[in-house]
Amino acid sequence: NAGVTQTPKFQVLKTGQSMTLQCAQDMNHNSMYWYRQDPGMGLRLIYYSASEGTTDKGEVPNGYNVSRLNKREFSLRLESAAPSQTSVYFCASSESPGANQPQHFGDGTRLSIL
Amino acid sequence: GENVEQHPSTLSVQEGDSAVIKCTYSDSASNYFPWYKQELGKGPQLIIDIRSNVGEKKDQRIAVTLNKTAKHFSLHITETQPEDSAVYFCAPYSGGGADGLTFGKGTHLIIQP
Repeated sequence: NAGVTQTPKFQVLKTGQSMTLQCAQDMNHNSMYWYRQDPGMGLRLIYYSASEGTTDKGEVPNGYNVSRLNKREFSLRLESAAPSQTSVYFCASSESPGANQPQHFGDGTRLSIL
Repeated sequence: GENVEQHPSTLSVQEGDSAVIKCTYSDSASNYFPWYKQELGKGPQLIIDIRSNVGEKKDQRIAVTLNKTAKHFSLHITETQPEDSAVYFCAPYSGGGADGLTFGKGTHLIIQP
């Protein structure tokens, strides 16, 4: 009963490096989301995928790309990491599109950009 | 987009007392009002939600009340326990724009023994 699994849990990068954050859900949900959380802030939406094969920008998409690999997996890529992208990243899923229903979150990836 | 404010930002209560957190939103079209709890090192977890056709909902020690006229809803926790210590977020939804949640900035609830 894993729910939403994120890897890695921690990562340190140097400015300019690239990396991909992985997310997988085992609840057969259609929709998946990527958020970032900065100190003292609520979570902000980076990208989302309403269904397999579709992706859309959220509130803070600049500097990121996403891939909905299949129904289970949704990855977030930083092509050229910047210190401003130091944050905790959360992946979430929901049964269908729309924020008017429960979203299930992973436990996050803590990313530091030096 | 939705403008969401939570108050207070920090709330400290004695174990066994009640706690109330208020969330104010701007979009009168909002129709879904959830509360999420985030424990240290974990992702947020939905603890209770309410829809616009209901004024109040209760689940054991937690309840949510909605005042659509004043555009605010509140989380009520009674008989607080140490495990209630966490950060609580509201995330009202109006149906427009992206499908993701728009979170308030959070309320850090501290339960004093």
